[in-house]
Amino acid sequence: AQSVTQLDSHVSVSEGTPVLLRCNYSSSYSPSLFWYVQHPNKGLQLLLKYTSAATLVKGINGFEAEFKKSETSFHLTKPSAHMSDAAEYFCVVSDGGNQGGKLIFGQGTELSVKP
Amino acid sequence: NAGVMQNPRHLVRRRGQEARLRCSPMKGHSHVYWYRQLPEEGLKFMVYLQKENIIDESGMPKERFSAEFPKEGPSILRIQQVVRGDSAAYFCASSRTSGAETQYFGPGTRLLVL
Repeated sequence: AQSVTQLDSHVSVSEGTPVLLRCNYSSSYSPSLFWYVQHPNKGLQLLLKYTSAATLVKGINGFEAEFKKSETSFHLTKPSAHMSDAAEYFCVVSDGGNQGGKLIFGQGTELSVKP
Repeated sequence: NAGVMQNPRHLVRRRGQEARLRCSPMKGHSHVYWYRQLPEEGLKFMVYLQKENIIDESGMPKERFSAEFPKEGPSILRIQQVVRGDSAAYFCASSRTSGAETQYFGPGTRLLVL
């Protein structure tokens, strides 16, 4: 069965400093992995998606994630945080099975950005 | 190109009433997924539908919850005889195909049961 674990429930950074949000996955086959962002009282927006084409995936708003099979990790990074990045971030794996690919979400990491 | 639309955005119901949540997928998408986000929790899958068919309802509570996606019109998530524990944000997502295809999310319906 597929699962994801987000290692930090809350991360706080200063504006202009790097962001690292950690995610480990468990999958019985080559997974499809996503990062979504949710701003307060909003829906979810796709940041980026990994589907085995390239291990380093670039997303929107300067975010990127690296798929490391040996470490079963898919950490999200950004070189320089902006105030508008403050939100909740979800690491997600697709079930991808015969039943159609329901998404399995991590518990979320809340990112705070201090001025 | 309109995204996934959900209405109402906010819904208040008293215990025992019915709640109907609507979802219109993106143009060209025929696959709809419903997820629930309980307070202080992540999102949990509820049900996956294609037009006129329920494909996977493994995440649906056994009682009071039902979903449909008719040939014409939006997908409906129906909750009968609501209880306070049903208070949550309900998100709909759609995709063009199944499998690992990207799912695009609507803004959600926030249900409050008094």
